[in-house]
Amino acid sequence: QVQLQESGPGLVKPSETLSLTCTVSGYSISSGYYWGWIRQPPGKGLEWIGSIYHSGSTYYNPSLKSRVTISVDTSKNQFSLKLSSVTAADTAVYYCARTTMVRGVIYFFGYWGQGTLVTVSS
Amino acid sequence: EIVLTQSPGTLSLSPGERATLSCRASQSVSSSYLAWYQQKPGQAPRLLIYGASSRATGIPDRFSGSGSGTDFTLTISRLEPEDFAVYYCQQYGSSPTFGQGTKVEIK
Repeated sequence: QVQLQESGPGLVKPSETLSLTCTVSGYSISSGYYWGWIRQPPGKGLEWIGSIYHSGSTYYNPSLKSRVTISVDTSKNQFSLKLSSVTAADTAVYYCARTTMVRGVIYFFGYWGQGTLVTVSS
Repeated sequence: EIVLTQSPGTLSLSPGERATLSCRASQSVSSSYLAWYQQKPGQAPRLLIYGASSRATGIPDRFSGSGSGTDFTLTISRLEPEDFAVYYCQQYGSSPTFGQGTKVEIK
Protein backbone atom coordinates (compact mmCIF):
# COMPACT_ATOMS: atom_id res chain seq x y z
CA GLN A 1 0.00 0.00 0.00
CA VAL A 2 1.44 3.31 -1.11
CA GLN A 3 1.55 5.89 1.66
CA LEU A 4 2.77 9.47 1.64
CA GLN A 5 3.46 11.68 4.64
CA GLU A 6 4.22 15.40 4.61
CA SER A 7 6.47 16.99 7.21
CA GLY A 8 7.82 20.46 7.90
CA PRO A 9 7.20 23.66 9.82
CA GLY A 10 3.60 24.70 10.30
CA LEU A 11 4.45 28.39 10.58
CA VAL A 12 6.59 30.43 8.21
CA LYS A 13 7.29 34.17 8.34
CA PRO A 14 6.45 36.41 5.39
CA SER A 15 9.27 36.74 2.82
CA GLU A 16 10.91 33.53 4.05
CA THR A 17 11.07 30.13 2.37
CA LEU A 18 8.54 27.38 3.00
CA SER A 19 10.13 23.92 3.09
CA LEU A 20 8.27 20.62 3.17
CA THR A 21 9.29 17.00 2.72
CA CYS A 22 7.17 14.06 1.61
CA THR A 23 8.22 10.58 2.71
CA VAL A 24 6.90 7.72 0.60
CA SER A 25 6.43 4.20 1.94
CA GLY A 26 5.17 1.06 0.25
CA TYR A 27 6.62 2.08 -3.10
CA SER A 28 10.07 3.03 -4.34
CA ILE A 29 10.19 6.48 -5.93
CA SER A 30 12.86 5.10 -8.26
CA SER A 31 10.38 2.58 -9.68
CA GLY A 32 8.49 5.20 -11.61
CA TYR A 33 5.67 7.72 -11.53
CA TYR A 34 6.04 11.42 -10.95
CA TRP A 35 5.63 12.84 -7.46
CA GLY A 36 3.94 16.14 -6.86
CA TRP A 37 2.69 18.87 -4.57
CA ILE A 38 -0.80 20.35 -4.48
CA ARG A 39 -2.10 22.99 -2.09
CA GLN A 40 -5.47 24.12 -0.81
CA PRO A 41 -6.01 27.47 0.94
CA PRO A 42 -8.45 27.21 3.86
CA GLY A 43 -11.99 26.83 2.55
CA LYS A 44 -10.88 27.02 -1.07
CA GLY A 45 -10.06 24.80 -4.02
CA LEU A 46 -7.02 22.84 -5.14
CA GLU A 47 -3.95 24.18 -6.93
CA TRP A 48 -1.22 22.03 -8.47
CA ILE A 49 2.25 23.32 -7.59
CA GLY A 50 4.58 20.98 -9.43
CA SER A 51 5.79 17.42 -9.95
CA ILE A 52 9.14 15.62 -10.16
CA TYR A 53 10.47 12.32 -11.56
CA HIS A 54 13.14 10.27 -9.81
CA SER A 55 15.62 11.44 -12.46
CA GLY A 56 15.07 15.02 -11.29
CA SER A 57 12.91 16.10 -14.23
CA THR A 58 10.43 18.70 -13.02
CA TYR A 59 7.23 20.38 -14.10
CA TYR A 60 5.96 23.50 -12.36
CA ASN A 61 2.79 25.55 -12.34
CA PRO A 62 3.68 28.62 -14.44
CA SER A 63 2.04 30.91 -11.88
CA LEU A 64 4.42 29.69 -9.15
CA LYS A 65 7.45 28.65 -11.18
CA SER A 66 9.63 31.60 -10.23
CA ARG A 67 9.35 30.74 -6.52
CA VAL A 68 9.19 26.91 -6.52
CA THR A 69 11.87 24.26 -6.33
CA ILE A 70 11.02 20.56 -6.05
CA SER A 71 13.81 18.06 -5.45
CA VAL A 72 14.05 14.32 -4.88
CA ASP A 73 16.20 12.11 -2.64
CA THR A 74 15.82 8.54 -3.84
CA SER A 75 18.08 7.18 -1.09
CA LYS A 76 15.55 8.33 1.49
CA ASN A 77 12.52 7.75 -0.74
CA GLN A 78 11.58 11.39 -0.24
CA PHE A 79 10.87 14.46 -2.31
CA SER A 80 10.76 18.05 -1.15
CA LEU A 81 9.17 21.42 -1.85
CA LYS A 82 10.67 24.85 -1.39
CA LEU A 83 8.55 27.95 -1.96
CA SER A 84 10.37 31.23 -1.58
CA SER A 85 9.25 34.76 -0.70
CA VAL A 86 6.02 33.57 0.87
CA THR A 87 3.10 35.83 1.73
CA ALA A 88 -0.18 35.28 3.54
CA ALA A 89 -1.63 34.11 0.21
CA ASP A 90 0.57 31.01 0.48
CA THR A 91 -1.21 29.88 3.64
CA ALA A 92 -2.70 26.53 2.75
CA VAL A 93 -2.85 22.82 3.38
CA TYR A 94 -0.03 21.33 1.33
CA TYR A 95 -0.49 17.82 -0.03
CA CYS A 96 2.03 15.53 -1.65
CA ALA A 97 0.70 13.05 -4.18
CA ARG A 98 1.76 10.36 -6.63
CA THR A 99 1.32 11.73 -10.11
CA THR A 100 0.48 9.70 -13.20
CA MET A 101 2.13 11.43 -16.12
CA VAL A 102 2.50 10.36 -19.74
CA ARG A 103 4.58 12.09 -22.40
CA GLY A 104 4.62 15.44 -20.67
CA VAL A 105 0.93 15.37 -19.72
CA ILE A 106 -0.01 15.14 -16.05
CA TYR A 107 -2.95 12.79 -15.85
CA PHE A 108 -4.15 12.45 -12.29
CA PHE A 109 -3.11 12.12 -8.65
CA GLY A 110 -3.74 8.61 -7.43
CA TYR A 111 -2.33 8.59 -3.91
CA TRP A 112 -2.25 11.54 -1.53
CA GLY A 113 -0.67 12.36 1.79
CA GLN A 114 -2.93 13.54 4.60
CA GLY A 115 -1.80 17.13 4.12
CA THR A 116 -0.08 19.63 6.36
CA LEU A 117 -1.25 23.15 7.15
CA VAL A 118 1.33 25.85 6.63
CA THR A 119 0.48 29.30 7.93
CA VAL A 120 2.40 32.35 6.77
CA SER A 121 2.41 34.91 9.55
CA SER A 122 4.83 37.05 11.51
CA GLU B 1 -5.10 27.73 -19.34
CA ILE B 2 -8.29 25.67 -19.30
CA VAL B 3 -10.78 26.89 -16.69
CA LEU B 4 -13.13 24.32 -15.21
CA THR B 5 -16.49 25.50 -13.89
CA GLN B 6 -18.46 23.14 -11.68
CA SER B 7 -22.18 23.37 -11.05
CA PRO B 8 -24.11 23.57 -8.92
CA GLY B 9 -22.03 24.98 -6.11
CA THR B 10 -24.07 23.03 -3.59
CA LEU B 11 -26.39 20.10 -4.12
CA SER B 12 -28.85 19.28 -1.32
CA LEU B 13 -30.12 15.72 -1.57
CA SER B 14 -31.32 12.87 0.61
CA PRO B 15 -29.68 9.46 0.98
CA GLY B 16 -30.87 7.16 -1.79
CA GLU B 17 -31.30 9.97 -4.27
CA ARG B 18 -29.37 10.41 -7.51
CA ALA B 19 -26.70 13.12 -7.71
CA THR B 20 -25.65 14.72 -10.98
CA LEU B 21 -22.61 17.00 -10.89
CA SER B 22 -21.45 19.06 -13.86
CA CYS B 23 -17.97 20.18 -14.91
CA ARG B 24 -17.66 22.50 -17.90
CA ALA B 25 -14.34 23.39 -19.51
CA SER B 26 -13.54 26.75 -21.11
CA GLN B 27 -12.13 24.89 -24.12
CA SER B 28 -12.25 21.34 -25.36
CA VAL B 29 -10.46 18.82 -23.16
CA SER B 30 -8.37 16.43 -25.26
CA SER B 31 -9.13 12.72 -25.30
CA SER B 32 -11.36 12.73 -22.21
CA TYR B 33 -8.48 13.96 -20.12
CA LEU B 34 -10.57 14.54 -17.00
CA ALA B 35 -10.59 13.18 -13.45
CA TRP B 36 -12.94 13.47 -10.48
CA TYR B 37 -12.06 13.49 -6.78
CA GLN B 38 -14.02 13.28 -3.54
CA GLN B 39 -12.91 15.22 -0.47
CA LYS B 40 -14.36 14.87 3.01
CA PRO B 41 -13.72 17.44 5.77
CA GLY B 42 -10.21 17.22 7.14
CA GLN B 43 -9.17 14.61 4.58
CA ALA B 44 -7.14 14.57 1.40
CA PRO B 45 -8.93 14.27 -1.92
CA ARG B 46 -9.52 10.73 -3.18
CA LEU B 47 -9.39 9.82 -6.85
CA LEU B 48 -12.76 8.53 -8.07
CA ILE B 49 -12.72 8.70 -11.85
CA TYR B 50 -9.99 9.12 -14.47
CA GLY B 51 -10.17 9.32 -18.25
CA ALA B 52 -13.62 10.87 -17.77
CA SER B 53 -15.31 7.50 -17.17
CA SER B 54 -12.94 4.92 -15.65
CA ARG B 55 -13.40 4.19 -11.97
CA ALA B 56 -10.28 4.16 -9.82
CA THR B 57 -9.41 1.05 -7.82
CA GLY B 58 -11.91 0.31 -5.06
CA ILE B 59 -14.48 2.90 -6.13
CA PRO B 60 -18.07 1.60 -5.91
CA ASP B 61 -20.01 1.27 -9.14
CA ARG B 62 -22.62 3.77 -7.98
CA PHE B 63 -20.08 6.38 -9.11
CA SER B 64 -19.92 6.95 -12.84
CA GLY B 65 -18.39 9.56 -15.08
CA SER B 66 -19.32 10.62 -18.57
CA GLY B 67 -18.81 13.35 -21.10
CA SER B 68 -16.30 14.65 -23.60
CA GLY B 69 -15.17 17.88 -25.17
CA THR B 70 -16.22 20.64 -22.79
CA ASP B 71 -19.01 18.98 -20.77
CA PHE B 72 -18.46 16.29 -18.19
CA THR B 73 -20.72 14.72 -15.57
CA LEU B 74 -20.20 12.78 -12.38
CA THR B 75 -23.23 10.74 -11.37
CA ILE B 76 -23.81 9.04 -8.03
CA SER B 77 -26.69 6.68 -8.68
CA ARG B 78 -27.91 6.29 -5.10
CA LEU B 79 -26.35 8.45 -2.41
CA GLU B 80 -24.97 6.65 0.60
CA PRO B 81 -24.35 8.53 3.88
CA GLU B 82 -20.59 8.44 3.24
CA ASP B 83 -20.99 10.15 -0.16
CA PHE B 84 -21.80 13.57 1.28
CA ALA B 85 -18.64 15.49 0.53
CA VAL B 86 -17.08 17.97 -1.88
CA TYR B 87 -16.30 16.81 -5.41
CA TYR B 88 -13.67 18.30 -7.71
CA CYS B 89 -13.01 17.79 -11.39
CA GLN B 90 -9.48 18.14 -12.76
CA GLN B 91 -8.24 18.40 -16.32
CA TYR B 92 -5.06 16.70 -17.47
CA GLY B 93 -2.29 18.79 -18.93
CA SER B 94 1.21 20.14 -18.63
CA SER B 95 -0.29 22.43 -15.97
CA PRO B 96 -3.38 20.66 -14.63
CA THR B 97 -6.21 22.66 -13.11
CA PHE B 98 -9.13 21.86 -10.83
CA GLY B 99 -12.71 23.06 -10.75
CA GLN B 100 -13.88 25.02 -7.73
CA GLY B 101 -15.84 22.07 -6.34
CA THR B 102 -19.44 20.98 -5.75
CA LYS B 103 -20.58 20.28 -2.23
CA VAL B 104 -23.11 17.47 -1.87
CA GLU B 105 -24.92 18.01 1.40
CA ILE B 106 -27.68 16.19 3.23
CA LYS B 107 -31.09 17.72 2.66
